[in-house]
Amino acid sequence: AQSVSQHNHHVILSEAASLELGCNYSYGGTVNLFWYVQYPGQHLQLLLKYFSGDPLVKGIKGFEAEFIKSKFSFNLRKPSVQWSDTAEYFCAVYLRGAGKSTFGDGTTLTVKP
Amino acid sequence: DVKVTQSSRYLVKRTGEKVFLECVQDMDHENMFWYRQDPGLGLRLIYFSYDVKMKEKGDIPEGYSVSREKKERFSLILESASTNQTSMYLCASIPGGISNQPQHFGDGTRLSIL
Repeated sequence: AQSVSQHNHHVILSEAASLELGCNYSYGGTVNLFWYVQYPGQHLQLLLKYFSGDPLVKGIKGFEAEFIKSKFSFNLRKPSVQWSDTAEYFCAVYLRGAGKSTFGDGTTLTVKP
Repeated sequence: DVKVTQSSRYLVKRTGEKVFLECVQDMDHENMFWYRQDPGLGLRLIYFSYDVKMKEKGDIPEGYSVSREKKERFSLILESASTNQTSMYLCASIPGGISNQPQHFGDGTRLSIL
């Protein structure tokens, strides 16, 4: 069965530190990849997505992610985090043809001011 | 902008009750999903539907059923609620046949079973 692994369950950073959240998936077919963010008390919303083309994708609020097909990875990065980035981040893999997504367990990011 | 509305933000029910969670979307999306979100476990798919009266089991369907009588509405039913079904429930929708679109989520229903 397909699975999505997020390596860090809880990350604590100071403002201006750089961020990298890992995401690996196990599925041999064609996938679309997403990062969602859930700010405290809010619904999940899209941060960025990849489905084809340039493997380096840029999202909202200065986030970017790189798809490395050979490593089955889609890591999320931000060069300088802000206190307002405190949230839970979910990696998701959409399996084309299956009509559904598999989510990772989530990473809680706490940014200290 | 797509709006996915879940009928309740908070719900408290008793063990053994039949519980209905309602979800409505306003963008004529074909596909709708029900997840539960638990700390450390991420989102787990319960059921999804790709058309009216159609349903597919997700990863954790046991103890749940669904109903999709109209395109815009997708209901999750707990046939006989148990304490291990205490959780946050999320509904989502997506256009059918377009695999590069993100899911649109509702605000969630935090359900407590006593």
